[in-house]
Amino acid sequence: GDSVTQMEGPVTLSEEAFLTINCTYTATGYPSLFWYVQYPGEGLQLLLKATKADDKGSNKGFEATYRKETTSFHLEKGSVQVSDSAVYFCARRGAGGGNKLTFGTGTQLKVEL
Amino acid sequence: EAQVTQNPRYLITVTGKKLTVTCSQNMNHEYMSWYRQDPGLGLRQIYYSMNVEVTDKGDVPEGYKVSRKEKRNFPLILESPSPNQTSLYFCASMKREGHEQYFGPGTRLTVT
Repeated sequence: GDSVTQMEGPVTLSEEAFLTINCTYTATGYPSLFWYVQYPGEGLQLLLKATKADDKGSNKGFEATYRKETTSFHLEKGSVQVSDSAVYFCARRGAGGGNKLTFGTGTQLKVEL
Repeated sequence: EAQVTQNPRYLITVTGKKLTVTCSQNMNHEYMSWYRQDPGLGLRQIYYSMNVEVTDKGDVPEGYKVSRKEKRNFPLILESPSPNQTSLYFCASMKREGHEQYFGPGTRLTVT
């Protein structure tokens, strides 16, 4: 079935460091891919998305490119801030057009001064 | 303001005492869903609804019920809660043809 695998956390970085959080998905069809962010005590918010191969999603300095050949959707940011501290979830939507999201286990990011 | 609301936000209850967690959205979305979030497991879908009076099981439906009598509301019902249902629960909604799911703030449930 559909699945998403993302790197385990927690990830601790210094402010202005480069961030990569790896995410891979099962290659069933051509799913839409998402990164959601969960700030402490809040629900999930959509951070960025990509709906087809080679699409690059971007928002708030974060980027992720839909790589069909490696079934990956890694999240990157060139210079993290303390305010980026949160839990990040990679997710895929069913390739058949359904609305169900399958989530990875989440990666906690902590950014320190 | 477009939003998904859940109530209560926090609930501590005892085994076997029926409870309902309410979910409401004001965006006229067709699709609504319930997830539970557990450490190391991410979010798992419990039930979803494609529209009024249309509901279906997700990945972990055992011990839960839902109803969709109105488009805006999608309550989650635990008829006889057990300690393994202690979790953080999220409701979400989405337009039928949309991409983004909008999440509520979460309900932290503890069953003793």
